[in-house]
Amino acid sequence: NAGVMQNPRHLVRRRGQEARLRCSPMKGHSHVYWYRQLPEEGLKFMVYLQKENIIDESGMPKERFSAEFPKEGPSILRIQQVVRGDSAAYFCASSPGQGLGSPLHFGNGTRLTVT
Amino acid sequence: DAKTTQPNSMESNEEEPVHLPCNHSTISGTDYIHWYRQLPSQGPEYVIHGLTSNVNNRMASLAIAEDRKSSTLILHRATLRDAAVYYCILRGDTGTASKLTFGTGTRLQVTL
Repeated sequence: NAGVMQNPRHLVRRRGQEARLRCSPMKGHSHVYWYRQLPEEGLKFMVYLQKENIIDESGMPKERFSAEFPKEGPSILRIQQVVRGDSAAYFCASSPGQGLGSPLHFGNGTRLTVT
Repeated sequence: DAKTTQPNSMESNEEEPVHLPCNHSTISGTDYIHWYRQLPSQGPEYVIHGLTSNVNNRMASLAIAEDRKSSTLILHRATLRDAAVYYCILRGDTGTASKLTFGTGTRLQVTL
């Protein structure tokens, strides 16, 4: 059973370009979480989605960032007009439900570098 | 979310047991105690979780104090591969979402 797959593993963008980060959850998992980790800092929650619904986006920056989890296909985190401060590792996690005892399974992240 | 307090860093010798403490004095009755770890350049990895009783799995043991205000993650025989940042997280019922909120964790160093 494949784990959470994130691609690309590394992404380089120039300032002003768009970045699209993809996350395929584990088979059977319908809950997806996105986290961001700035260099030498902790993991910060961004958004929690179920299929076709955003449940909690309290950690998403108000502008330029969006996320979706369509009925078919991977979850996408989209960053428009990237700036140098967006350089970070972005991690996706999935779980089969939102039960408090359900562990989250994380991917190995996409490392975004903005030049 | 209720807060947890962990030491910034700990050291252990290889093959020795490691006890990683976590204080959570404001824990509520429905909060689960989760432990994750993050190895260098990798995503966080689930280790173990519990509610009231002590828990064991193939990776570790979790000892929960009777009043639930603290817990200890126990690695029975540390190896070099256990060097990571260990996060103790309370996961409670926040209504519509049950996200994990990561703190700064404990950086575990394992030496030969």
